[in-house]
Amino acid sequence: DQQVKQNSPSLSVQEGRISILNCDYTNSMFDYFLWYKKYPAEGPTFLISISSIKDKNEDGRFTVFLNKSAKHLSLHIVPSQPGDSAVYFCAASAPGSSNTGKLIFGQGTTLQVKP
Amino acid sequence: KAGVTQTPRYLIKTRGQQVTLSCSPISGHRSVSWYQQTPGQGLQFLFEYFSETQRNKGNFPGRFSGRQFSNSRSEMNVSTLELGDSALYLCASSLIRAGANVLTFGAGSRLTVL
Repeated sequence: DQQVKQNSPSLSVQEGRISILNCDYTNSMFDYFLWYKKYPAEGPTFLISISSIKDKNEDGRFTVFLNKSAKHLSLHIVPSQPGDSAVYFCAASAPGSSNTGKLIFGQGTTLQVKP
Repeated sequence: KAGVTQTPRYLIKTRGQQVTLSCSPISGHRSVSWYQQTPGQGLQFLFEYFSETQRNKGNFPGRFSGRQFSNSRSEMNVSTLELGDSALYLCASSLIRAGANVLTFGAGSRLTVL
């Protein structure tokens, strides 16, 4: 049972345009959501997070939007840069696990930003 | 500040063998978690150790085990290897605090089972 789903395996955008990565979840009790970025031969690195009591969080070029009624969140990257080309993972912390190392990850979306 | 260090980075085993992977967390981080990454499956949580005690466990068979030492270093072991165990094994450490617990990952140990 995939509780966190990233239905788009890949996305290609032009440099300077907006990249929108999507994530759906099934458990309405998730209390935090996080986005990680992963380059080949490296471990995932943390990008941005959002609490379930918020609907938007922004950090520089990265903004995460949370739509609780639709159980959907999205990561917007504006403007996209070639260095943003990587695999992006959406993750959620389960109830009672927000202060632990247990996260539930989506399958990942490979973003390619073309120069 | 040194990051999370995993060894070995690459290894090849044959079916039926066992393997031990090592993880050194960031200094001061007492929580160490292990994840398995396979193509199309994302990262699957294996287990978490905190203060030498396993406090969370994912849905993996008993062939997967781990431990944590007093210096917070952790090892995971997979016994009786199967072809499906071929994957990237990631270790992550974190400070335990309220709110979103941000994990810092190592580069991983890529295991190939032949």
